[in-house]
Formats: sequence, structure tokens, C-alpha cells
Amino acid sequence: AQSVTQLDSQVPVFEEAPVELRCNYSSSVSVYLFWYVQYPNQGLQLLLKYLSGSTLVKGINGFEAEFNKSQTSFHLRKPSVHISDTAEYFCAVSAGGSYIPTFGRGTSLIVHP
Amino acid sequence: DAGVIQSPRHEVTEMGQEVTLRCKPISGHNSLFWYRQTMMRGLELLIYFNNNVPIDDSGMPEDRFSAKMPNASFSTLKIQPSEPRDSAVYFCASSGGGSYNEQFFGPGTRLTVL
Repeated sequence: AQSVTQLDSQVPVFEEAPVELRCNYSSSVSVYLFWYVQYPNQGLQLLLKYLSGSTLVKGINGFEAEFNKSQTSFHLRKPSVHISDTAEYFCAVSAGGSYIPTFGRGTSLIVHP
Repeated sequence: DAGVIQSPRHEVTEMGQEVTLRCKPISGHNSLFWYRQTMMRGLELLIYFNNNVPIDDSGMPEDRFSAKMPNASFSTLKIQPSEPRDSAVYFCASSGGGSYNEQFFGPGTRLTVL
């Protein structure tokens, strides 16, 4: 079985500050990892994904995430956030062989001017 | 590609009425998922289809909920009879299949049951 934990339900930050959204997973097999973003009144859309290879993955809108197998983490980072980054962010994991991803509860990123 | 299309975008109905939500996945995708999102419970997977066949419906709340996928380009989620606790945003997502493929979500249907 696979599971995902997003430790922070809400992360407030000021504009132009760096941000890290945390994600930890558990799985007994190899995994594929995803970050999705949901803007108000919209569906989720992919920010980035880790399948294999380099542990540092770059996505859209200046976001990046680092896969750490020993710590079973896949934290999302951005060096300087904008007001427009205010949204809900979801971490998801798919274990090899499972076509059904498991989503975390989401982290609400609130960027203040 | 127009992406995943859902209709209606908003639905307001009265308790006891039948509600049908519709989804058109991205052409060529063979996996389709229905989710429900609420503040209390977050994002919940209701049912998963692969090649039009329901594979996992363990998330369907109860017999009032049913889902069909008569062909590769159309799926419905039906609630009969509807109850106020069914109020939520319902998302449809499609994928190219395989655990390495991301899901593409539709804009959702906001359902309000009075």
C-alpha cells in the first residue's frame, strides 16, 4: 500500500520570499511522484513529476522538487513566490504496477503582498 | 486538444432528485477517474475505469451512486436520490494509463443539494 503525507495544511508567506511545501510518502516498491496545483475554482494541473534519473525535478512556474529516497520525501520549492502562486498544492504518489495514484490532503499556499 | 470536458459546471438540485454528471476524457486516454472534493474530506477517488471497464469502485459511497462509461469518449456519474451531504465538487480526470502518467483534470462540477 502507498500513502502520502503533506505535513502542512496551510503555508502563509510574503511575496518574493522562498517557500518549501513538504511531502512524505510511504511505499514498499518503487514510486513515481507528482505535484499538482489547483487554482481557485479550477481542476488540478500538473506542476512536475519524478519518474527516474536526476533527483532534482524542475516544473512549470519556477517550481522544483527534490526526490530523497532515504527520507522518502518529495518537497516542493520555489525561490521567490508571487501573489499568483496562491493556490492549493497536492502531492501524489503512484507505486509501480498501480494505476491509481494516492493524493495527499493538500497544502494551501497563501502569498501575502 | 480541449482537455477534459465536464458538464454541467454547476448544478443545484433538491434532495431526492436524480443528478447526472458528464465527462468527456482526452482523446486517446484509456484511464478515467471520478473524484469528489470537499473541505472536510479532501479529494476522494470514487471510481476508476480502464479501457471503459470499471476496475476499482471501492470509493463509491453507497448504492445511490453509479457510474458508467459506455465508450472511450464519455462517462457519467449518477446520484439517485441525491442528499445534501452529496454537495461537493466532482472532478473527472483522464490519463494515458500506466502509473507513470499524470492525470488531466476537468474543471469540475459544483453540486449543491438543497
